[in-house]
Amino acid sequence: EAEVAQSPRYKITEKSQAVAFWCDPISGHATLYWYRQILGQGPELLVQFQDESVVDDSQLPKDRFSAERLKGVDSTLKIQPAELGDSAMYLCASSPGLAGVWETQYFGPGTRLLVL
Amino acid sequence: AQTVTQSQPEMSVQEAETVTLSCTYDTSESNYYLFWYKQPPSRQMILVIRQEAYKQQNATENRFSVNFQKAAKSFSLKISDSQLGDTAMYFCAFMKLKAYSGGGADGLTFGKGTHLIIQP
Repeated sequence: EAEVAQSPRYKITEKSQAVAFWCDPISGHATLYWYRQILGQGPELLVQFQDESVVDDSQLPKDRFSAERLKGVDSTLKIQPAELGDSAMYLCASSPGLAGVWETQYFGPGTRLLVL
Repeated sequence: AQTVTQSQPEMSVQEAETVTLSCTYDTSESNYYLFWYKQPPSRQMILVIRQEAYKQQNATENRFSVNFQKAAKSFSLKISDSQLGDTAMYFCAFMKLKAYSGGGADGLTFGKGTHLIIQP
């Protein structure tokens, strides 16, 4: 069964350092989402891509976060510089993204970030 | 903006019992989906059940069923014959559909979750 892949699974970094997360969605899925899940909370959307275009990044802290999906397949989320409050699980999800198709999102295992 | 509220931070039941998790939401949209996702300890989020807002019939998936009350903006999850493997965080989520053809859907808006513990 196809799955969303994410790496690394765990990342420990010091504040002010740069960190990057990678996501490979299910093959053929046009829509890709990045969420941030703080411990004990539900995930919150950071950015949504349709193919290579950003559809929604209204909740992305653009002074330090950036996201790209250059060829409309895999995606990278970067934080620079990292702050203590960025410690969280970063989840990637994908969906077929086609009108008339069930819009179920399939989640990856996440990257757990700890900023010291 | 949409909001999703789960008022039960934690619930605990005995194996084989039936349990209902509550969820309410607030939206001015008319075209949307509702979901329940399960997040087992240290494992990824998986879909439990989904409901289209225009469908009056409540969705059912094996032991899982929902009670969707659109006017009341309520979307509860019932788990029958609970099993130890049902122990997990359960998240209620809302998804708005874009108005134009081919627009796809927005990201999910999640509640804070309910930690369900199934006791042996």
